[in-house]
Amino acid sequence: EAEVAQSPRYKITEKSQAVAFWCDPISGHATLYWYRQILGQGPELLVQFQDESVVDDSQLPKDRFSAERLKGVDSTLKIQPAELGDSAMYLCASSPAGGRQYFGPGTRLTVT
Amino acid sequence: GQNIDQPTEMTATEGAIVQINCTYQTSGFNGLFWYQQHAGEAPTFLSYNVLDGLEEKGRFSSFLSRSKGYSYLLLKELQMKDSASYLCAVRDGAQGNNLFFGTGTRLTVIP
Repeated sequence: EAEVAQSPRYKITEKSQAVAFWCDPISGHATLYWYRQILGQGPELLVQFQDESVVDDSQLPKDRFSAERLKGVDSTLKIQPAELGDSAMYLCASSPAGGRQYFGPGTRLTVT
Repeated sequence: GQNIDQPTEMTATEGAIVQINCTYQTSGFNGLFWYQQHAGEAPTFLSYNVLDGLEEKGRFSSFLSRSKGYSYLLLKELQMKDSASYLCAVRDGAQGNNLFFGTGTRLTVIP
């Protein structure tokens, strides 16, 4: 079965540094999501793409976070500068139109 | 907005049955999902309900009552590998069909 790919799986960075995460959705899935999951909580949506367009980024802290999906396939989420409170699991998911979401393995970020 | 509640933790015995409840309030209900998440891993899909009633899939079943804003996940013949967090998520048609997750229920299966 096809899977959502994410890299890196783990990232440790110092506060004030820049960090980037990459996601490759399941082939043919037009919709891509980035979630943040703090330990002990459920995932929270950061940004949703439909093809290359942002559909919803209302919960994305735009002063430090940015996301792009230039060709409507893979996507990059960037944090600059990272803060201690950004330590979390960053999950990418993709779905076909109107279908259920498939999650990638996530990137666990630790900011020191 | 969305308000999704589920118990934080539950413990059950191997071979037993456990029911994990989820209540929700949302303006544009368009389906409820249950996901399983082992520690440090991604959520994996378990079940989907959009109409009232029971959906059965092997050892797992999920129930929905839209009028009560209530769902439960039923796990039968518990196995040690079922120890995980179980996430209830509601799809909101008034919010772009986005998924809104509860905090998850951490289930511990004991021998």
